[in-house]
Amino acid sequence: GAGVSQSPRYKVAKRGQDVALRCDPISGHVSLFWYQQALGQGPEFLTYFQNEAQLDKSGLPSDRFFAERPEGSVSTLKIQRTQQEDSAVYLCASSLILGPDTQYFGPGTRLTVL
Amino acid sequence: DQQVKQNSPSLSVQEGRISILNCDYTNSMFDYFLWYKKYPAEGPTFLISISSIKDKNEDGRFTVFLNKSAKHLSLHIVPSQPGDSAVYFCAENSGGYQKVTFGTGTKLQVIP
Repeated sequence: GAGVSQSPRYKVAKRGQDVALRCDPISGHVSLFWYQQALGQGPEFLTYFQNEAQLDKSGLPSDRFFAERPEGSVSTLKIQRTQQEDSAVYLCASSLILGPDTQYFGPGTRLTVL
Repeated sequence: DQQVKQNSPSLSVQEGRISILNCDYTNSMFDYFLWYKKYPAEGPTFLISISSIKDKNEDGRFTVFLNKSAKHLSLHIVPSQPGDSAVYFCAENSGGYQKVTFGTGTKLQVIP
């Protein structure tokens, strides 16, 4: 069975480069979340989609971060002009129904900014 | 200001014994408390939850206790198994669309 997949799994970027991280949620899942997990920390909420609508982007740390889900399925998290503090694991989660225990997480993309 | 705190970054337990992982929270408005388990290079996996109106929830070897007066949450694993070795995150949810606030995690090592 297909779970949440993310690509690439690892990304190394030079400071100032733009990066795009992809999330393929479980088919049919309405809700999609992005989290950022810094080293030694727990995941922190970035943004939430319900279908194609971005209902909450309060966790995005700066205007360099942008997320989209144009067709209500695949989502892309874009980071412009990457900085060293952007280095983290970026996790995507999806869920079918409302409920705090129904989020399925992908394996994450580890971003390293040099 | 962190709303969910896990003060023990690591814990080692002998196989067969009880593992107790602790969590403190500051916001009394959360509806649900959750525990997630995370293996290296994988995303977190939901383990067990408890509603704020309850004080205990049990699922097999896993039991979560909620002490609202102390704003304290704990996860008990009995008996502990080597496969339980992972990082455990305490988390909170305030209902609505499921936004989850995570603690910093406790790395559990179960020694065979």
